[in-house]
Amino acid sequence: QKEVEQDPGPLSVPEGAIVSLNCTYSNSAFQYFMWYRQYSRKGPELLMYTYSSGNKEDGRFTAQVDKSSKYISLFIRDSQPSDSATYLCAGYNFNKFYFGSGTKLNVKP
Amino acid sequence: GAVVSQHPSWVICKSGTSVKIECRSLDFQATTMFWYRQFPKQSLMLMATSNEGSKATYEQGVEKDKFLINHASLTLSTLTVTSAHPEDSSFYICSAKWGAQETQYFGPGTRLLVL
Repeated sequence: QKEVEQDPGPLSVPEGAIVSLNCTYSNSAFQYFMWYRQYSRKGPELLMYTYSSGNKEDGRFTAQVDKSSKYISLFIRDSQPSDSATYLCAGYNFNKFYFGSGTKLNVKP
Repeated sequence: GAVVSQHPSWVICKSGTSVKIECRSLDFQATTMFWYRQFPKQSLMLMATSNEGSKATYEQGVEKDKFLINHASLTLSTLTVTSAHPEDSSFYICSAKWGAQETQYFGPGTRLLVL
């Protein structure tokens, strides 16, 4: 079993939709969780990171962690075509990052 | 802040030659750097973790003699692919973090094509 599981998609939504991206993880020792956005042929860009359970909001993005169910989510409000990319979730423990396989998102104008 | 650069951005080489990829942290001191490999439409595969001034720690299945990693300073790490073969063609991405920070910052990646 992979440490972090993520539906690869692709996920296609119309512009303006609310997007929900999700991951599950198996390692209960993870303390920090991140979301990265990766455009085609580019390196990943850190979007958000959260510590432990709870929500964190930054503009149109909200990251949510539920440690009881080992579930992490990223919500994107008012999605834009420029949000079209692959989104990677990650858990962190002992100087090591564990990535999901990434979800490809396509926001149609 | 937290900018990481990689050079070159793409490279084409002949089979059997060696290729060096540089990763630099431009505005912070990177105590730890990570090297990843990414195949098309797949996620990041961690190859090795390097801490400044010490030997890199390689992930299981990664040949340390083939993928030489050097982290000689707090702003520079290099990955050398020795005796490259076509199956080494991939997208190589480095990342860096400092101290006990829980986040890492990625470089733009280097696309390697071995003919």
